This record gives sequence, C-alpha cells and structure tokens, in this order.
Amino acid sequence: GIQVEQSPPDLILQEGANSTLRCNFSDSVNNLQWFHQNPWGQLINLFYIPSGTKQNGRLSATTVATERYSLLYISSSQTTDSGVYFCAASAVKETSGSRLTFGEGTQLTVNP
Amino acid sequence: GAGVSQTPSNKVTEKGKYVELRCDPISGHTALYWYRQSLGQGPEFLIYFQGTGAADDSGLPNDRFFAVRPEGSVSTLKIQRTERGDSAVYLCASSYGQGSEQYFGPGTRLTVT
Repeated sequence: GIQVEQSPPDLILQEGANSTLRCNFSDSVNNLQWFHQNPWGQLINLFYIPSGTKQNGRLSATTVATERYSLLYISSSQTTDSGVYFCAASAVKETSGSRLTFGEGTQLTVNP
Repeated sequence: GAGVSQTPSNKVTEKGKYVELRCDPISGHTALYWYRQSLGQGPEFLIYFQGTGAADDSGLPNDRFFAVRPEGSVSTLKIQRTERGDSAVYLCASSYGQGSEQYFGPGTRLTVT
C-alpha cells in the first residue's frame, strides 16, 4: 500500500515563529488531508488538498502531486497551535473506498 | 450541522469480554470508516462501508473483530473475547464517497484490563 512519511517528527517553536511541515507519499493520490489532533484526541480537519494550494487564516498548504509531497505552513504560531499534526493520503489505485494511510505525525510545541 | 458522534467515549472492560462501539455518521454521508489509534501512532484503517455493505474489511486484525451497518447509517464495531492488546482509541469517520474528505468522530477509548 501507499507509504506516508512526515517530517520533522518533533518541532519546538517560540510564539510568533513560522514553520513548515512536510509529507511525502509513495503513490498517486485521490485524497490527501492534513489534521490537527487536539489534546483530547479529536482530529480536526485542516485541509483537503490532493493537489494545489489552499489557505485558511494563518495556515496554508500546498500539494505537488507530480512530485508526491505536501507542505503545511503555519505562520505567526500561537501556543494553541501545539499538538500533533497528521498527514493522511489515499492512493488512486486503491480498489475501494479511499482508505486513508496516516503518517507518524509531527509533534509541534509552541512556547510563549 | 452535527458531526460524527461515537459512543461510549470511554469503555473499560475485562479481558475476554465482548464490547460494542457505536458510530453515528454525518447525515447524507454514504461512506463510513473505522480506524484504530494506539498511543503515539497515527490512526490505522480497519474497515470501510459504502452504504450497508462492508466494501473493504482488510484492516480488521483477526476474526474477533466484526462491524455492521444494517441501515446504511449507524455502524457498530463488535469485538469478541477482548485482549489487552485491543486497548486503543477507536475512531470512526464518514464522507460523501470515494476520494471525498473524511470527517472524524471524537473516538472511543477502549481499555481492556
């Protein structure tokens, strides 16, 4: 099946700093999503982005499908941005359903 | 509108017991997924329903695990003869269909003692 790799595994920032999280995937995708998992375990949808660029406030994401990677940008980070960020992808050649394969996540800590 | 809901939020059971976990998807979503997340890892796929039928159950770890979706809406994940290794957070997600954005519920934390 598809492989999804995220980097870095851990990231520590000072409040106000910018950061870039990377997601590499091993196959053509029909679904790529970025999630933020809050301290209570809820997966919050950030972006649905199998290709192209999207922006939502201080967050933006870019997926270059032909080169099989996606980037999540966080600008002017805040302490509330802390948590685990997951990238998840589904391969075009999956026979059914678009099951998501998750990366190992990036643990982000934003210090005041 | 209402998101995906899961009950119970927490379940503690003894080794060998039977448990049922419920998922109520977003209204109108025909696709429903179950995932399992162990501590410190990303969620892993278990089973996918399109309508009432299990279209892909290749992620179920063994035959102690079974899931149903009899009316194409609510789904129940059933685990027989629970083992301590089954302890995890069980997540449900739903979407409009193949390739569409998936939305996750808050999860059920299962602890097998």
